[in-house]
Amino acid sequence: GAGVSQTPSNKVTEKGKYVELRCDPISGHTALYWYRQSLGQGPEFLIYFQGTGAADDSGLPNDRFFAVRPEGSVSTLKIQRTERGDSAVYLCASSLQGSLGETQYFGPGTRLLVL
Amino acid sequence: GNSVTQMEGPVTLSEEAFLTINCTYTATGYPSLFWYVQYPGEGLQLLLKATKADDKGSNKGFEATYRKETTSFHLEKGSVQVSDSAVYFCALSEDNFNKFYFGSGTKLNVKP
Repeated sequence: GAGVSQTPSNKVTEKGKYVELRCDPISGHTALYWYRQSLGQGPEFLIYFQGTGAADDSGLPNDRFFAVRPEGSVSTLKIQRTERGDSAVYLCASSLQGSLGETQYFGPGTRLLVL
Repeated sequence: GNSVTQMEGPVTLSEEAFLTINCTYTATGYPSLFWYVQYPGEGLQLLLKATKADDKGSNKGFEATYRKETTSFHLEKGSVQVSDSAVYFCALSEDNFNKFYFGSGTKLNVKP
């Protein structure tokens, strides 16, 4: 069975450009999470989807960040007007229902570098 | 608020040595606790978890006990191997959405 996949694995962009990062969760998982991991740090929560809706977007750093999950499966994280401080590894995770204590399964991440 | 504190790394041990990686947490309620591992070049994988006080999670020779009285979830292994070299992350989840709060990670180097 396939795990969580993320594309691209690496993305280099210039300051001010727009980027999209894609996450394909495990089939049947209704809960999907995005995290951001800076060098030498643990992942930090960005946004949580239950089905198609963003149930908790409290971790998005500002309004340049947006995410969608239109059909309740694949999700796209969108970053507008990228800044050098956005450089990080963006991780996606999914779990069956999003219940407390459930294991989250992580993708390999997208490494974003903003020049 | 919720937070997780782990011991600073890197931790360097010889093969067959005893391992302890300390993890303490702050939470307002009754969290679930996790250890994730990241091997070189790979993604985060669940190592073990415990969902209520006094539970012990175990996997691959690693153990951790959920201690509510000391708000701790220390990771232990009796005899480490070179293949255990990785970065270990302690995490908690507490709210209905099960979002995770991670520590900063502890790098373990095991020498032959």
